Amino acid sequence: GQNIDQPTEMTATEGAIVQINCTYQTSGFNGLFWYQQHAGEAPTFLSYNVLDGLEEKGRFSSFLSRSKGYSYLLLKELQMKDSASYLCAANQAGTALIFGKGTTLSVSS
Amino acid sequence: GAVVSQHPSWVICKSGTSVKIECRSLDFQATTMFWYRQFPKQSLMLMATSNEGSKATYEQGVEKDKFLINHASLTLSTLTVTSAHPEDSSFYICSARTGGSNQPQHFGDGTRLSIL
Repeated sequence: GQNIDQPTEMTATEGAIVQINCTYQTSGFNGLFWYQQHAGEAPTFLSYNVLDGLEEKGRFSSFLSRSKGYSYLLLKELQMKDSASYLCAANQAGTALIFGKGTTLSVSS
Repeated sequence: GAVVSQHPSWVICKSGTSVKIECRSLDFQATTMFWYRQFPKQSLMLMATSNEGSKATYEQGVEKDKFLINHASLTLSTLTVTSAHPEDSSFYICSARTGGSNQPQHFGDGTRLSIL
């Protein structure tokens, strides 16, 4: 079957580093997306990993291990504005994305 | 780049009304558009996928006669919720993609639909 798991909630303080994990089980896997969604708003694209390894984009990095069905999003130098829900989505070849339920990150001062 | 505009952003209407939501890709041609529904603190649930000029593909459990989708051009898709009832109240979000499935989906700002 298809399954995407990620923690429901996480908390961190400004300036810290946080890692949001995502495990997936899906057929025809063709990469993994991370999106950020602020409350009441639509998701915005953060990253896409199709090969194993780490992709770095400024304060955000994303990692993928296809053999382990595992990905993480790493956020460095946290800011208050990073408080949001982070959605992990598995890309199935030829079909649409399968989204996880999202991880709500709360950043405090 | 990759801006998707969704309109209206908020709709409140009476039960039995039909509501049309528009999704436009402003600076790119969207070969594929997607319609999602999201309940509070829940994940995005895909309702249907539409390709320009062809009929939409609906996910299991989504009534195609209830949720009419038209993808008339490479920049516009519409979702019409016909004879809406309170249980149709939700946050509806569209996304658009150009190219294949390895390209990211770009989301509109969503439409909050409240049926009284």
